Amino acid sequence: QKEVEQDPGPLSVPEGAIVSLNCTYSNSAFQYFMWYRQYSRKGPELLMYTYSSGNKEDGRFTAQVDKSSKYISLFIRDSQPSDSATYLCASDTGRRALTFGSGTRLQVQP
Amino acid sequence: DAMVIQNPRYQVTQFGKPVTLSCSQTLNHNVMYWYQQKSSQAPKLLFHYYDKDFNNEADTPDNFQSRRPNTSFCFLDIRSPGLGDAAMYLCATSVKNEQFFGPGTRLTVL
Repeated sequence: QKEVEQDPGPLSVPEGAIVSLNCTYSNSAFQYFMWYRQYSRKGPELLMYTYSSGNKEDGRFTAQVDKSSKYISLFIRDSQPSDSATYLCASDTGRRALTFGSGTRLQVQP
Repeated sequence: DAMVIQNPRYQVTQFGKPVTLSCSQTLNHNVMYWYQQKSSQAPKLLFHYYDKDFNNEADTPDNFQSRRPNTSFCFLDIRSPGLGDAAMYLCATSVKNEQFFGPGTRLTVL
C-alpha cells in the first residue's frame, strides 16, 4: 500500500466550476501537508502548505486536512483554463522528506 | 529571478555512460534534495543534504551518487545509466518544511 494515495484522474470540468481534489494517507506520523501544481514538463510549484488538521485559504484555493480520517483535500473555486495541470499532494513527518501522491490530472475546459 | 536552477534542462546519454546533472540555488536554503520522477508517477526522493549531512533513501540504487560542494550547488551523478533511469530529475530546496523545486532535467538514455 502506498503511503499517499491519489486518484490519477483525468478530471475534466467546465470553466468556472468548483474542483475538489483529494488524497488519503496511511502514515499517522505525517504532520505537514502540501499541494503542488505541476504543468507539463515543468517542476512542481508549491500551492498550499498546512500543518496538522484544519483549513487554509489562499485566493481561489482552499486546503483541508482531516487527520482523524487521514484525508487531504484541495478545492479550487472559479476554475480557469490556466488551472489545467497535474496536482500533487505531499506529506511530511517533519524529517523534511516529502512523500508524494501520484498526482491528479485536471483539465478545465473553456 | 530563478531561485532553483537546473542544468541542463534536457540531457541525452548512452547506456552505461556516466552523466552528471547540476542544481544551484539563490535562496541560501540549507537543505537540498534530488527526486526522480517517471512519467505519470509521483516524484521519488533519492537523497537529501541537510547542510553537508548526506541522507540517502534506503531504496536509492548505488548507481546514484550526489555531491554538495557548497550551500549553493548540488550534483547528481549517475555512474552507469540504464534504460530504466530515463526520467525527469528534480532538485528542490527548503529552509523549513516548504520545498521549492527547480524546473527539472529530463534525462534520455539511448
